[in-house]
Amino acid sequence: EAGVVQSPRYKIIEKKQPVAFWCNPISGHNTLYWYLQNLGQGPELLIRYENEEAVDDSQLPKDRFSAERLKGVDSTLKIQPAELGDSAVYLCASSLGQGLDTQYFGPGTRLTVL
Amino acid sequence: GQNIDQPTEMTATEGAIVQINCTYQTSGFNGLFWYQQHAGEAPTFLSYNVLDGLEEKGRFSSFLSRSKGYSYLLLKELQMKDSASYLCAVRDALNAGNNRKLIWGLGTSLAVNP
Repeated sequence: EAGVVQSPRYKIIEKKQPVAFWCNPISGHNTLYWYLQNLGQGPELLIRYENEEAVDDSQLPKDRFSAERLKGVDSTLKIQPAELGDSAVYLCASSLGQGLDTQYFGPGTRLTVL
Repeated sequence: GQNIDQPTEMTATEGAIVQINCTYQTSGFNGLFWYQQHAGEAPTFLSYNVLDGLEEKGRFSSFLSRSKGYSYLLLKELQMKDSASYLCAVRDALNAGNNRKLIWGLGTSLAVNP
């Protein structure tokens, strides 16, 4: 069974530029999560989808971040414009059902904003 | 507020036993997860406790005391490859459905020395 797929793995951009990350969850997983993780810290939830509905986006900085999950499968997270402080690893995870059960993480995208 | 405490760093010797503690204060409780994260990689699921007691999985065991808001992860017969960060995460249950939260600790960085 294929795991969670993310691309790109690494991205370097200059500040004020836009950037987008893509995630393909494990087949059949209804719930999809986007996290931000800084070095030496735990994951911080940005947004959680149940199928195509964003059920928790309370920590998403909506002035510059946006996300979508069309057809309840793949998801895209966008930052526009990027700031220096956005440099981090962006993790996508998925879980089978609703209710925050065991999550399976993708390899992450390491973003560096110069 | 919601809070999870873990030691920041721990060091142990190959072949030894180490116990990583996690204490939590959350609005309701409906399960505690332990994840392992090697440097530069995504978190991977280790264990889940929802009832009091010890869950054993090979060299790894996880314990939960709901009355004390306390869990520990026990690693036996330590190997060099166990050097990683260990993340504790608690699922609250005060709110139902989409208002539930998964609260993540900052992680404990374990170094296993020869």
